[in-house]
Amino acid sequence: EAGVAQSPRYKIIEKRQSVAFWCNPISGHATLYWYQQILGQGPKLLIQFQNNGVVDDSQLPKDRFSAERLKGVDSTLKIQPAKLEDSAVYLCASSSRGAGGYNEQFFGPGTRLTVL
Amino acid sequence: DQQVKQNSPSLSVQEGRISILNCDYTNSMFDYFLWYKKYPAEGPTFLISISSIKDKNEDGRFTVFLNKSAKHLSLHIVPSQPGDSAVYFCAARIQGAQKLVFGQGTRLTINP
Repeated sequence: EAGVAQSPRYKIIEKRQSVAFWCNPISGHATLYWYQQILGQGPKLLIQFQNNGVVDDSQLPKDRFSAERLKGVDSTLKIQPAKLEDSAVYLCASSSRGAGGYNEQFFGPGTRLTVL
Repeated sequence: DQQVKQNSPSLSVQEGRISILNCDYTNSMFDYFLWYKKYPAEGPTFLISISSIKDKNEDGRFTVFLNKSAKHLSLHIVPSQPGDSAVYFCAARIQGAQKLVFGQGTRLTINP
């Protein structure tokens, strides 16, 4: 079974530029998550999709961050314009929709963003 | 508002000995607790979990203990192996949601 794919793996931009990240979840996984992991901290949820609908975007800085999940499969996360404090690893994860209990989240390798 | 805390940024253990990683939480609405392991340049991978209705879960060399009255959980690795060297994240799930709240992580180094 293929894992969660993300691209690019690394990106360096200057502040005020725009950047986009792409995620392809595990086939059949209905739930997709974007996390931001700043150096020395744990991952922080930015947005959660169930199929192509948003379940939770309470911690997404909506003035500069946007995300979409086309047809309930792939997803893109965009930052426009970027700030220095956006430097972080952006992790995508997916999980299946089970009947109950905990549905394990599978993480991709992440995209390391450096804003200069 | 740090709802999940790992107060030890790093831990060094001799190979073959026991590694104990600790985690504290504040939110009584958490119903699942998990440990994730992360190697450099890779995403976190699930290691072991425990439901809030249990106080212990064991999987091979890994055991997680939950003390609800103290709002504390710990991960025991016995015996520790060099391949266990990684960053370990404690995470908790809010009841009724799939959202996870992560701690800051503890870097475990196993010395030969």
